[in-house]
Amino acid sequence: RKEVEQDPGPFNVPEGATVAFNCTYSNSASQSFFWYRQDCRKEPKLLMSVYSSGNEDGRFTAQLNRASQYISLLIRDSKLSDSATYLCVVNMQHSGAGSYQLTFGKGTKLSVIP
Amino acid sequence: DADVTQTPRNRITKTGKRIMLECSQTKGHDRMYWYRQDPGLGLRLIYYSFDVKDINKGEISDGYSVSRQAQAKFSLSLESAIPNQTALYFCATGSGGLRTGELFFGEGSRLTVL
Repeated sequence: RKEVEQDPGPFNVPEGATVAFNCTYSNSASQSFFWYRQDCRKEPKLLMSVYSSGNEDGRFTAQLNRASQYISLLIRDSKLSDSATYLCVVNMQHSGAGSYQLTFGKGTKLSVIP
Repeated sequence: DADVTQTPRNRITKTGKRIMLECSQTKGHDRMYWYRQDPGLGLRLIYYSFDVKDINKGEISDGYSVSRQAQAKFSLSLESAIPNQTALYFCATGSGGLRTGELFFGEGSRLTVL
C-alpha cells in the first residue's frame, strides 16, 4: 500500500460547484496533515494545515478521520482560480528511520469550468 | 524578492557533467529541503538539513550530494548527471515543532540531462 494516496483526477467541475477530495495514509502514527496547492509549472504552496478533527478557511474545509486514516478537502462555490493540483501531505514516521518525515501524495488535479 | 530563491531556474546539460543547484532563503528558517518532482510520481525528498551541521538523506539520495554552507544556503550537487535525473527540483524551508509541514518552496529549477 502506498503511504499517501490520492485520486489523481482530473476533477472537472462547473463554477459554483462543491467538490471534495480524499486522501488516505498508511501509517496510523502520523502526526500532522496538510493540503498544498500547486499551479501548473509553479511551486507548491500551503493551503491549509489540518488539526484535530478539521478546520475551515472561507470556502475551504479540511477534515481528518484518524480512525479511517483519511483526510479530505472540500471546496465550496468553486472559482475558476481554484483550478490547480491539490497535494495531500502527511508527517509520518518512516519504518526503520524512527524519524518523522513529510510524505507528499501525487496530487489531485482540479479544473473549474466556466 | 522571493523568500526562497533557486538558481539556475533552467539548465540543460549533458550526461556526465557536474551540476550544482543553489538555494538561499530569507525566512530565517533552520530547516531546508531538496525535492524532485516528476510527472506521475509527485514530490520526493532528496536531502534535508535541520541546521548548518546537519545533513540527512531522504528517499532518493543516490547520485546527489548537498552542502549547507550557512543557515540561509543549501546547495544540491549532481556529481555526474544522468538522463533520469531530468526533473523539476524544488528547495523548501520550514521550521519545526507544530509548524513542521508548513513549508515554503522556491520557484523550482528545471534540469534537463541529455
